[in-house]
Amino acid sequence: NAGVTQTPKFQVLKTGQSMTLQCAQDMNHNSMYWYRQDPGMGLRLIYYSASEGTTDKGEVPNGYNVSRLNKREFSLRLESAAPSQTSVYFCASSGGTGDQPQHFGDGTRLSIL
Amino acid sequence: EDKVVQSPLSLVVHEGDTVTLNCSYEVTNFRSLLWYKQEKKAPTFLFMLTSSGIEKKSGRLSSILDKKELFSILNITATQTGDSAIYLCAANSGYALNFGKGTSLLVTP
Repeated sequence: NAGVTQTPKFQVLKTGQSMTLQCAQDMNHNSMYWYRQDPGMGLRLIYYSASEGTTDKGEVPNGYNVSRLNKREFSLRLESAAPSQTSVYFCASSGGTGDQPQHFGDGTRLSIL
Repeated sequence: EDKVVQSPLSLVVHEGDTVTLNCSYEVTNFRSLLWYKQEKKAPTFLFMLTSSGIEKKSGRLSSILDKKELFSILNITATQTGDSAIYLCAANSGYALNFGKGTSLLVTP
């Protein structure tokens, strides 16, 4: 019963490097989300995809890009990592926006040196 | 600007105590209020509330929503050490969740 799977679990990057965080869900959910969690800030939405083929910016999209590869997979890319992007990143999915709870992956802990 | 405020930010209680966690919200296009429990990894879903005054209950946990006063509470009775976690409240405004900063609960033996 995998649910939402994120890879990698941990990553250390140097400033300026790029990387892609992967997320896949096996619940046949339409909507997928990327959040970052920082101490004292709570969870903040980076991007979301209400359905396959669509993506939209959330509260803190600068420095990130996303791809909804298919219904199952939603990736988050950092093109040129900055220390301010050091955070824990969570992917989530839900059956639809508004009236369905979101279910979260275990997170990716990312450090940018 | 949408905002969700949780109180208290942290709480230390003894096993067996009852705790009440608070969440107030101001969001446009409010759809639902959700509670999550976060231990070391993923937030895990507890409750989703859409109607005022209807209590949702799961074991020792219960929650209720007041849409007129724009707040929700999460009650935990007979607390156990396994209840130690961060409890997150989130308001759904249609496409995504607006989270509060969480209440960190520590239950001591």
